[in-house]
Amino acid sequence: GAGVSQSPRYKVAKRGQDVALRCDPISGHVSLFWYQQALGQGPEFLTYFQNEAQLDKSGLPSDRFFAERPEGSVSTLKIQRTQQEDSAVYLCASSFEGVGTGELFFGEGSRLTVL
Amino acid sequence: AQSVTQLGSHVSVSEGALVLLRCNYSSSVPPYLFWYVQYPNQGLQLLLKYTSAATLVKGINGFEAEFKKSETSFHLTKPSAHMSDAAEYFCAVSSKRGGGNKLTFGTGTQLKVEL
Repeated sequence: GAGVSQSPRYKVAKRGQDVALRCDPISGHVSLFWYQQALGQGPEFLTYFQNEAQLDKSGLPSDRFFAERPEGSVSTLKIQRTQQEDSAVYLCASSFEGVGTGELFFGEGSRLTVL
Repeated sequence: AQSVTQLGSHVSVSEGALVLLRCNYSSSVPPYLFWYVQYPNQGLQLLLKYTSAATLVKGINGFEAEFKKSETSFHLTKPSAHMSDAAEYFCAVSSKRGGGNKLTFGTGTQLKVEL
């Protein structure tokens, strides 16, 4: 597609619910990243995929967070048993290069509010 | 470990005045450095990047930044502010080494442009 697409743009969940956030990267982009951006803060790294392989998940805050990219394109970030502290904007980014320092292209984000 | 520090969470300038947003980095290896801009309810857009070529980097919308190794700085400047420059600006650092282009972001600087 023309850009990185994320859905839903807004999600309200009750505490304890499971949520799934989708990212559709730019076609042909090898690398895919998820970031979490709390209100008034910079984006914080969550996890990184190169094609379908999850090469780095060091930023996932707990085992309630799970990400997958089974076919090396679309990715889903799943949060189980949501807590209020999970409220944030979740940003997805993709990049063409597998390794290196290419530009990251960001989606508009999915804003999660946990009540 | 890499990090960036952005001095000043809020900066206010008059239209037509110089814009200066400060960023200092810490990295154990030669860094790649980036400035991103984020408009309300939008994703991050790359303004410019330093990847060890010229130390003075020109970006979009008239912005530029200078890499100063001796000062571990990568400050963002624009000679004349425009109302449309009002946004949040993030400095970010990555390593040249493998692991994709995992970026570590600063906490951001909100730029306000006044008439």
